[in-house]
Amino acid sequence: GAGVSQSPRYKVAKRGQDVALRCDPISGHVSLFWYQQALGQGPEFLTYFQNEAQLDKSGLPSDRFFAERPEGSVSTLKIQRTQQEDSAVYLCASSPHNTGELFFGEGSRLTVL
Amino acid sequence: AQRVTQPEKLLSVFKGAPVELKCNYSYSGSPELFWYVQYSRQRLQLLLRHISRESIKGFTADLNKGETSFHLKKPFAQEEDSAMYYCARATAGNKLTFGGGTRVLVKP
Repeated sequence: GAGVSQSPRYKVAKRGQDVALRCDPISGHVSLFWYQQALGQGPEFLTYFQNEAQLDKSGLPSDRFFAERPEGSVSTLKIQRTQQEDSAVYLCASSPHNTGELFFGEGSRLTVL
Repeated sequence: AQRVTQPEKLLSVFKGAPVELKCNYSYSGSPELFWYVQYSRQRLQLLLRHISRESIKGFTADLNKGETSFHLKKPFAQEEDSAMYYCARATAGNKLTFGGGTRVLVKP
């Protein structure tokens, strides 16, 4: 099938819990991006990987956010001690090369109560 | 900081009428600009990019460096054009900066 796959699609967490969001990019895509999309807003950049190297993490809002892509394929976005303001859709996208064409997953909707 | 602005949150037009979605970007060098679209219950996908100068699904977008704009246009809107549209700009490191989005509703 092969589009970008994200899991879980929906996650409800109590404030203070840790969450982990998974992204399976399209096979062979070198670049992987994480975006955060709050309700009624456009996607906001969080972080970018090229293979296993995290080249840009300037968009991570706090040190509670951590992302990894240890083998250059699957990536995990971890949020520690979740807060209500973390409620958003987290989008993963991959790209085969630097063209600006990103292939997005369906997103993981996180709700923090 | 690079900014992309879409001033209209909602555009409502009748089928067959022209539609224009506005996008302005903060000036910096030679921008690489894109329009992405999200149809209902589908994922965000690329609609068109300025560098290819192509028309996709009847949509065109012209880069105006003088006005720092990249407006998206279609002369005759169709009901299937109802969707969320995002203007985006490539910045350093190949990442995209998105505007806030415009919802287009095409009424029959």
